[in-house]
Amino acid sequence: AQTVTQSQPEMSVQEAETVTLSCTYDTSESDYYLFWYKQPPSRQMILVIRQEAYKQQNATENRFSVNFQKAAKSFSLKISDSQLGDAAMYFCAYRSPVHKLTFGKGTLLTVNP
Amino acid sequence: ETGVTQSPTHLIKTRGQQVTLRCSSQSGHNTVSWYQQALGQGPQFIFQYYREEENGRGNFPPRFSGLQFPNYSSELNVNALELDDSALYLCASSLVGGGGSQETQYFGPGTRLLVL
Repeated sequence: AQTVTQSQPEMSVQEAETVTLSCTYDTSESDYYLFWYKQPPSRQMILVIRQEAYKQQNATENRFSVNFQKAAKSFSLKISDSQLGDAAMYFCAYRSPVHKLTFGKGTLLTVNP
Repeated sequence: ETGVTQSPTHLIKTRGQQVTLRCSSQSGHNTVSWYQQALGQGPQFIFQYYREEENGRGNFPPRFSGLQFPNYSSELNVNALELDDSALYLCASSLVGGGGSQETQYFGPGTRLLVL
């Protein structure tokens, strides 16, 4: 069974600084997708970024980028120029070929002004 | 383009009752997945519906059941409610068979269920 581990229950960052959230996963599959979702206090789960396992190039979406290390089964999220609106719970998720998502326990990010 | 919607937003039930939660998928999507998120935890996969058939199930008992309709909207039914069923229930829609990024799951705002 696939597992996703987020080892940082909480992280904090100063506004305008950079922060990296960690995620590791375990799978025997070779074809899969990885995601970072953001869940603010409103509880709506919002897609931040997506990475296809077959792509060696790391995904980037504006201030958000990932460091995908397939051999190490590591998938970290880097947030640059942090903004107050980035404060939320961040979940790393693995999607198997059968399309179900397996989530980590989340990292609560606080952004300090 | 219409996003994923869920109803109701909040619900209070008593132990032993039955509940039905509803989800309307994003326009153009054919698959709905349901997740249970207990307080302080990540979402747990309940099941997925594709073309009106169950297409995978997580570790949830049979009293959790679902339906998908021809318009791809979906219902989650929970019978014989237990206190531990109190959680946020999330549905997500996607386009299975669309390939690549189209198969990304997009979430609704959730239904918060409290069982007393």
